[in-house]
Amino acid sequence: NAGVTQTPKFQVLKTGQSMTLQCAQDMNHNSMYWYRQDPGMGLRLIYYSASEGTTDKGEVPNGYNVSRLNKREFSLRLESAAPSQTSVYFCASSGQANTDTQYFGPGTRLTVL
Amino acid sequence: AQSVTQPDIHITVSEGASLELRCNYSYGATPYLFWYVQSPGQGLQLLLKYFSGDTLVQGIKGFEAEFKRSQSSFNLRKPSVHWSDAAEYFCAAHTGGFKTIFGAGTRLFVKA
Repeated sequence: NAGVTQTPKFQVLKTGQSMTLQCAQDMNHNSMYWYRQDPGMGLRLIYYSASEGTTDKGEVPNGYNVSRLNKREFSLRLESAAPSQTSVYFCASSGQANTDTQYFGPGTRLTVL
Repeated sequence: AQSVTQPDIHITVSEGASLELRCNYSYGATPYLFWYVQSPGQGLQLLLKYFSGDTLVQGIKGFEAEFKRSQSSFNLRKPSVHWSDAAEYFCAAHTGGFKTIFGAGTRLFVKA
């Protein structure tokens, strides 16, 4: 039981390049989330998926797209990376969003030059 | 606007001393409240949560938190800090739907 896994752990991109961050959970959770963490700002929600087949914007969705591939997997795509997207990205999952604990992956540290 | 405020960016305590980390929320109703801990290079781990009922909540690793509606606060406490408690601590509030608001975090340093 690995919980929430994320790949890659580290990534360096040049401005304008694209990439996809992968996330998978093995807890049979319905809901999944992508957050970014920046110094002094806590975690901010980028996108979430309440259940398989649905996705919705969070607080800071601009410049990102997501895909809920199946119940286990939720990917985050940067189509044209910008230096402002330099951050640590966390994926999380939960059984029921309004009462259940969110379980977090170890994070992906992304640098955009 | 809904918000979670952690007034202290960082706190330093001596090993064995008591600890209190402050958290205030701004929300029309009582939200679901959480405290998470993040060790360096790791994801967040839940310490404890409050939904309703007893306002003193016990969590893992000897932590507890007290919900005070009159002060809109949910402060985290530990009677005796261990060096392994050095980490960053986040207060969070679930305010409805699928959205949780996180505070900016308080980094705890423990000195020998």
